[in-house]
Amino acid sequence: RKEVEQDPGPFNVPEGATVAFNCTYSNSASQSFFWYRQDCRKEPKLLMSVYSSGNEDGRFTAQLNRASQYISLLIRDSKLSDSATYLCVVNTPRGGATNKLIFGTGTLLAVQP
Amino acid sequence: DVKVTQSSRYLVKRTGEKVFLECVQDMDHENMFWYRQDPGLGLRLIYFSYDVKMKEKGDIPEGYSVSREKKERFSLILESASTNQTSMYLCASSEGSGGYTFGSGTRLTVV
Repeated sequence: RKEVEQDPGPFNVPEGATVAFNCTYSNSASQSFFWYRQDCRKEPKLLMSVYSSGNEDGRFTAQLNRASQYISLLIRDSKLSDSATYLCVVNTPRGGATNKLIFGTGTLLAVQP
Repeated sequence: DVKVTQSSRYLVKRTGEKVFLECVQDMDHENMFWYRQDPGLGLRLIYFSYDVKMKEKGDIPEGYSVSREKKERFSLILESASTNQTSMYLCASSEGSGGYTFGSGTRLTVV
């Protein structure tokens, strides 16, 4: 079983739609959670951290359910510029490591005009 | 903003060559990482370092080594390049338990 699993995608949605991505992680000791965005042939960039109480940044809302080991990202009013791959990322301690991130394989979003 | 710079955007090397990939960060971060990214497999950690001259193996260290002689520089070395090391290589740095900042990547082709 992969440590971080995401929806396979791709998601093809019209402009203005609301789209949700889901992610599960296997290690209950995981401490920090993030969503990254990666454009085609570019490096991943931090989109937002995910907090236990849930957090919002404009059109983007992230949720964390520690009991179910589940993370979500909701994008409202999708824009063409939201088209990218979204990576679910988990910080899982391993043998004293202070900060090592495990990446999901990503979900491709294509927003259509 | 933190800047992470990778020395080459594209590289083509021959099988058996020794290859050096360089990464420099300008924000005095202690933690540096090397990943490779392949379609369907996502990002996989090769090596990482928490301090100068310190290194630890990631999930796929075979065929690679690293060097961190200065805090700002973390080098990835392919001792004898093979075709299965054709990939996108991404360097990242971080401070504490926060998110990473990535370099723009090096697309390596081994022929």
